[in-house]
Amino acid sequence: DAGVIQSPRHEVTEMGQEVTLRCKPISGHNSLFWYRQTMMRGLELLIYFNNNVPIDDSGMPEDRFSAKMPNASFSTLKIQPSEPRDSAVYFCASSSRGGPPQNIQYFGAGTRLSVL
Amino acid sequence: EDQVTQSPEALRLQEGESSSLNCSYTVSGLRGLFWYRQDPGKGPEFLFTLYSAGEEKEKERLKATLTKKESFLHITAPKPEDSATYLCAVQASGTYKYIFGTGTRLKVLA
Repeated sequence: DAGVIQSPRHEVTEMGQEVTLRCKPISGHNSLFWYRQTMMRGLELLIYFNNNVPIDDSGMPEDRFSAKMPNASFSTLKIQPSEPRDSAVYFCASSSRGGPPQNIQYFGAGTRLSVL
Repeated sequence: EDQVTQSPEALRLQEGESSSLNCSYTVSGLRGLFWYRQDPGKGPEFLFTLYSAGEEKEKERLKATLTKKESFLHITAPKPEDSATYLCAVQASGTYKYIFGTGTRLKVLA
């Protein structure tokens, strides 16, 4: 299994530009999670999906952030317009729904975003 | 409010010097507690999951234990390759989301 695949690995953009981060979950997993990691705040959950449906987006910082999951094998996180305070590492994780051990989350390698 | 606190923030050990990392939590019904290892520039890597007080899991030099209020990650005779950030997360009943602690940065010196 290839694991969770994120792209790009690094993104450098200028303030005000649109940024799109991509994630391919592990095949067969039906829950997908987007996190943001910073030194100050650690790992924060932004949004998660079950069966392609957003369940909890309470962690999305503001309307500039949006996430979609058009099918079971692809999700995007979009920031428009981007701001320097959005600079962080963004992780995608996936898991199977259900009881143990299915609820273990597996993480991608992350996208390091720098907004200048 | 569900919360996870890890201590210490950073730990330096000599090779072979055993120690423990702490994860204290408050959650409205524990579905599971998870330990992850994170190396610089990489995503968190799953280590253990614990589901009920009294449960223990072991893997090589690592052993995780769980009580009703906290979990410990015991590291026996660590090696330099054990250097990493160790993250603890809890999952409350009725949800699939994790709440993470801020981690313990472990450095093992040769």
